[in-house]
Amino acid sequence: DQQVKQNSPSLSVQEGRISILNCDYTNSMFDYFLWYKKYPAEGPTFLISISSIKDKNEDGRFTVFLNKSAKHLSLHIVPSQPGDSAVYFCAASDNYGQNFVFGPGTRLSVLP
Amino acid sequence: DTGVSQNPRHKITKRGQNVTFRCDPISEHNRLYWYRQTLGQGPEFLTYFQNEAQLEKSRLLSDRFSAERPKGSFSTLEIQRTEQGDSAMYLCASSLYGRSTYNEQFFGPGTRLTVL
Repeated sequence: DQQVKQNSPSLSVQEGRISILNCDYTNSMFDYFLWYKKYPAEGPTFLISISSIKDKNEDGRFTVFLNKSAKHLSLHIVPSQPGDSAVYFCAASDNYGQNFVFGPGTRLSVLP
Repeated sequence: DTGVSQNPRHKITKRGQNVTFRCDPISEHNRLYWYRQTLGQGPEFLTYFQNEAQLEKSRLLSDRFSAERPKGSFSTLEIQRTEQGDSAMYLCASSLYGRSTYNEQFFGPGTRLTVL
């Protein structure tokens, strides 16, 4: 029973173009959503987050969009750079910072 | 750099042996989490502490697993009578809960366990 789904295991994008990574969740109790990036042999690194009271949060090249009615969020990276190549995990938690659930990840490859 | 550290980084053991991992969180962080990650999957929650109190344990955490955070600082995760299915990356994360309702977790590099 996957509560957080990332249906695209991999994604390839040309350098300078937009990368869009998608995430769907099933538990309506989730109140806070995060994106993490992971390089090989390292732990996940926090990228950006959004609470359920917002529908958009932006930080530099990274923007996260939340559609609560569809239980869907997406991460946009513009412009994509080769250094963005990594595995991206979507995660969700409840209002108290408990019950963190991670998706299976999407491997992004940004081609020069 | 005062990020989250984990030791050892790699552990190879024989089935049936006990292993212990250590996590040192970011010093001012009051919450500490343990996760397990297998190939092709995201981190899977095991347990977490707020200060020295263990507040939640996953149903996936069998009786062979035990975690402690005796002084509210570093934590240890012990696996007794290891099985081949325990082979995974064990990740530790810490966060500062209370400054705001929502809190980001900062991860360590992980301990890769291989059970032969």
